[in-house]
Amino acid sequence: AQTVTQSQPEMSVQEAETVTLSCTYDTSESNYYLFWYKQPPSRQMILVIRQEAYKQQNATENRFSVNFQKAAKSFSLKISDSQLGDTAMYFCAFITQGGSEKLVFGKGTKLTVNP
Amino acid sequence: NAGVTQTPKFQVLKTGQSMTLQCAQDMNHEYMSWYRQDPGMGLRLIHYSVGAGITDQGEVPNGYNVSRSTTEDFPLRLLSAAPSQTSVYFCASSLSRFSGNTIYFGEGSWLTVV
Repeated sequence: AQTVTQSQPEMSVQEAETVTLSCTYDTSESNYYLFWYKQPPSRQMILVIRQEAYKQQNATENRFSVNFQKAAKSFSLKISDSQLGDTAMYFCAFITQGGSEKLVFGKGTKLTVNP
Repeated sequence: NAGVTQTPKFQVLKTGQSMTLQCAQDMNHEYMSWYRQDPGMGLRLIHYSVGAGITDQGEVPNGYNVSRSTTEDFPLRLLSAAPSQTSVYFCASSLSRFSGNTIYFGEGSWLTVV
């Protein structure tokens, strides 16, 4: 079965500090992509960052970076210099090649950035 | 560039009624899909399409129909609405099937079945 586990239902961080959201996944496929999506209260799904499984280098996008550990099937998201606008639900997801090629989502982590 | 457009944004249905959620994209994307999001859950795939005239079932297809007569449009039909179909529905599209391309989501359609 293909699954994503986000072990932290809720987290909070002070503005300007750094926070790490954890994600582990399970798939028997070797070719896949990993994603973090942000969902603010508006419910819009916004792509934060993407990692290709065959690339060892961790992806970065401005204040967002990942720690991708392929052998451990771990894909954590680090948010540096947290801003109030980062308050949202964050979903970890992956997509594999073959079949429906659906995005498999975790249940999400609710992040609150406090002033 | 409108991206992925979903209508309506909000809808209340009575049990047994039928309705269609519309989805259109203007990016000439081959791959389109419908997801539903229930409280405390991530998104789950309902149906998907890899091109005009081709559709297939996802993880939770029961109670829903889709068709893809054009590249741009991918409507989702609820045949006989049930309270269990109360959810937020997202349409998504990407340039092609599994290429790692960015998957674009619509803004969601809130459906309540009473």
